[in-house]
Amino acid sequence: EVQLVDSGGGLVQPGGSLRLSCAASGFTFSSYWMGWVRQAPGKGLEWVANIKDDGSEKHYVDSVNGRFTISRDNAKNSLYLQMNSLRVEDTAVYYCAREAIGTASARDYWGQGTLVTVSS
Amino acid sequence: EIVLTQSPGTLSLSPGERATLSCRASQSIRNSLLAWYQQKPGQAPRLLFYGASSRATGIPDRFSGSGSGTDFALTISRLEPEDFAVYYCQHYGAFGRGTKVEIK
Repeated sequence: EVQLVDSGGGLVQPGGSLRLSCAASGFTFSSYWMGWVRQAPGKGLEWVANIKDDGSEKHYVDSVNGRFTISRDNAKNSLYLQMNSLRVEDTAVYYCAREAIGTASARDYWGQGTLVTVSS
Repeated sequence: EIVLTQSPGTLSLSPGERATLSCRASQSIRNSLLAWYQQKPGQAPRLLFYGASSRATGIPDRFSGSGSGTDFALTISRLEPEDFAVYYCQHYGAFGRGTKVEIK
């Protein structure tokens, strides 16, 4: 059974840092692009970043480029999101998601989400 | 960058009725590579369709996806109580703003 378990969220002050993790199981992690999608309270879905199966290619939404870093450890079946210089507008539930192959990034499995709150 | 516009914003219907949701792209989507998701309160989104009309695992056949180019649709033939939710379309990094299907 495919499982993605998100962790690492919490309360942080503006300008602070946080590292999110996503533990994957039940599939060959190293064969899939993976990514992060966030959802601010009461709002819609927003793609944040994604990373190629071997980690050689990374993409970010403009609003986080230069502040967030996506990475993965295929030996540990884990995905990460290092978030620096956090802003109030980064407050959201962050989901890791698997991108189905050949589907223009259709996300076929999602983690349960982890809440990041940026507030003083 | 493709922008996805979903309409209507809210659809008020009764159980048993038919729901038709629209997703319009700002430019043509190659190979109809559009996905649809369902999200219920407090839950992660669930993939319904990829490639516009390919049903994801476990999705009931009362759901159907269609369209090509810039115009796509998600249809629920007869609404069940568990279908009242928010629905999003997506292409690569672009998501629509969602259509809420609520009980009338």
